[in-house]
Amino acid sequence: AQSVAQPEDQVKVAEGNPLTVKCTYSVSGNPYLFWYVQYPNRGLQFLLKYITGDNLVKGSYGFEAEFNKSQTSFHLKKPSALVSDSALYFCAVRDMAGRRALTFGSGTRLQVQP
Amino acid sequence: GAGVSQSPRYKVAKRGQDVALRCDPISGHVSLFWYQQALGQGPEFLTYFQNEAQLDKSGLPSDRFFAERPEGSVSTLKIQRTQQEDSAVYLCASSFRQGGNTEAFFGQGTRLTVV
Repeated sequence: AQSVAQPEDQVKVAEGNPLTVKCTYSVSGNPYLFWYVQYPNRGLQFLLKYITGDNLVKGSYGFEAEFNKSQTSFHLKKPSALVSDSALYFCAVRDMAGRRALTFGSGTRLQVQP
Repeated sequence: GAGVSQSPRYKVAKRGQDVALRCDPISGHVSLFWYQQALGQGPEFLTYFQNEAQLDKSGLPSDRFFAERPEGSVSTLKIQRTQQEDSAVYLCASSFRQGGNTEAFFGQGTRLTVV
């Protein structure tokens, strides 16, 4: 079985400050890891993914995420937050040897304050 | 089209009514997924198609839920005898390749409210 935990329901940061949205995962094999963002009344938008190789993955809109195998984590980061980054963020995992569907976390609402 | 298109965007159904939700994936995308997203939760997997073949339906919550993709493009999710617990946003996603490392592109979803 595969699972994802996003321990924070909400994260608040000031504009211009760095942000981190946490994610830990559990799979029986090797993971494929994804971050998606959801704006109100919009579908999920792909941000970035980890497949293999470099542990630091860079994605859209200046976001990046670091894969840490020993801690089974894949935290999302951005050096300088924008008010427009305020949205709902979902981490997702797929076991390389498992089923094709993604398993999502429960989401973290990011609020960037001006 | 430019993205995954779902219709209708909103659907209100009376309890016991049958509903059909449509998904138009990105042209040429082999894989198609349906997810159910309850309020305040992450999406949960329902079913997966590779072309016209339904390869995984392990997430369908009951035999009232049925999905098809007869020609390997448009897909329909049908819910029979809707119940209040079926109220959720139903998301469709497609991806170009079969490989598990390929990201999926999501539609805006259909918000189903059962009254």
